[in-house]
Amino acid sequence: GDSVIQMQGQVTLSENDFLFINCTYSTTGYPTLFWYVQYSGEGPQLLLQVTTANNKGSSRGFEATYDKGTTSFHLQKTSVQEIDSAVYYCAMLMDSNYQLIWGSGTKLIIKP
Amino acid sequence: DMKVTQMPRYLIKRMGENVLLECGQDMSHETMYWYRQDPGLGLQLIYISYDVDSNSEGDIPKGYRVSRKKREHFSLILDSAKTNQTSVYFCASSYRGRAETLYFGSGTRLTVL
Repeated sequence: GDSVIQMQGQVTLSENDFLFINCTYSTTGYPTLFWYVQYSGEGPQLLLQVTTANNKGSSRGFEATYDKGTTSFHLQKTSVQEIDSAVYYCAMLMDSNYQLIWGSGTKLIIKP
Repeated sequence: DMKVTQMPRYLIKRMGENVLLECGQDMSHETMYWYRQDPGLGLQLIYISYDVDSNSEGDIPKGYRVSRKKREHFSLILDSAKTNQTSVYFCASSYRGRAETLYFGSGTRLTVL
């Protein structure tokens, strides 16, 4: 069945470190892929969307890439700051039922 | 002001009690959702509502029911709450046909003792 796997449950970095979070997906359809961010005490909010293979999306210094060949998509940021501490979710929109399938989330901790 | 409001923010109930979680949105979104969030499991869809009185089960509907009598309000009801329903519950909404952009409330942390 359709699924999204987000293996990294937690990532701990120092300020100005490089961030890379990876998700893999499985589907027989044509997915649209997203990254959501959830700050402490809030609900998730859309961070960015990647719609075509090898096309990058970008927002707030974050960049997303999508590799159709490996059915994976990635979130990266060159230099993280303490304010980036949050949980990051990848998600896939199914064109069959137009619903989101969520990864399990990656908690990003930034050491000051 | 685009907002999804959830009440209450925190709730403690005893096992067997009934629980009502309320959600409102001011964007006239047709579609609304209830999710629960547990550590390591991410977001699990409980119910989805496509409009007034048009509700469908999500992935984990057992033990829950919903009510949507007005487009701007969506309620989640737990009849006879169980301890394994302790969780953080999120309500969300989206425009019909724009399911990729969900607007979430701030959540209700429910503890069932």
